[in-house]
Amino acid sequence: QSALTQPPSASGSPGQSVTISCTGTNSDVGGYNSVSWYQQHPGKAPKFMIFEVNKRPSGVPDRFSGSKSGNTASLTVSALQAEDEADYYCASYAGSFTWVFGGGTRLTVL
Amino acid sequence: QVQLVESGGGVVQPGGSLRLSCVASGFTFSEISMQWVRQAPGKGLEWLAHIRLDGSNQYYVGSVEGRFIVSRDNSKNTLYLQMNSLRIEDTAVYYCATDADWGFPDWGQGTLVTVS
Repeated sequence: QSALTQPPSASGSPGQSVTISCTGTNSDVGGYNSVSWYQQHPGKAPKFMIFEVNKRPSGVPDRFSGSKSGNTASLTVSALQAEDEADYYCASYAGSFTWVFGGGTRLTVL
Repeated sequence: QVQLVESGGGVVQPGGSLRLSCVASGFTFSEISMQWVRQAPGKGLEWLAHIRLDGSNQYYVGSVEGRFIVSRDNSKNTLYLQMNSLRIEDTAVYYCATDADWGFPDWGQGTLVTVS
């Protein structure tokens, strides 16, 4: 499997919105609605933020939202806060009980 | 609450072997499929392996297939990753995670494996 493609970096000022893309193929992102997103602060384990493209686990602020169009999924963080500064990874089911992650995007809050 | 605690990491020479463990608590381990994910220093996450809830089937990423073996002991609430023929590029933090059909809800804190 090839890693999903994410931009290496994204940034925004407090209060603004930022969108991170995640591009795959018909064999992963485009073929299933099992796209999830993870937030990782330095030295910490990843945290589950979005599942099934646009659903939020309990406790995740509604400032985080997801969407998908064709082979590209997106994570939008609205009303940016300083604590949102972290690395973000997408993941997609790729069939036959296998998964693939994106390369990660470092979000900087200016 | 769900807790996953990995152990077994350390320094190993190229070609060597290591077995990682992940002890689970806070949920019914035998009812949940599990995953291993790793992260090389300064790099992104890489999915490695999946094991079904009863251990009946395992699935691997191509780069570790034939070298790594995932297993579980439901009586001990423990997940394992046996790593053989280790390479320098296997150096990473290894995480265990719970598997839902739609993602990985819970993660351990990770254990560092250094091949050198």
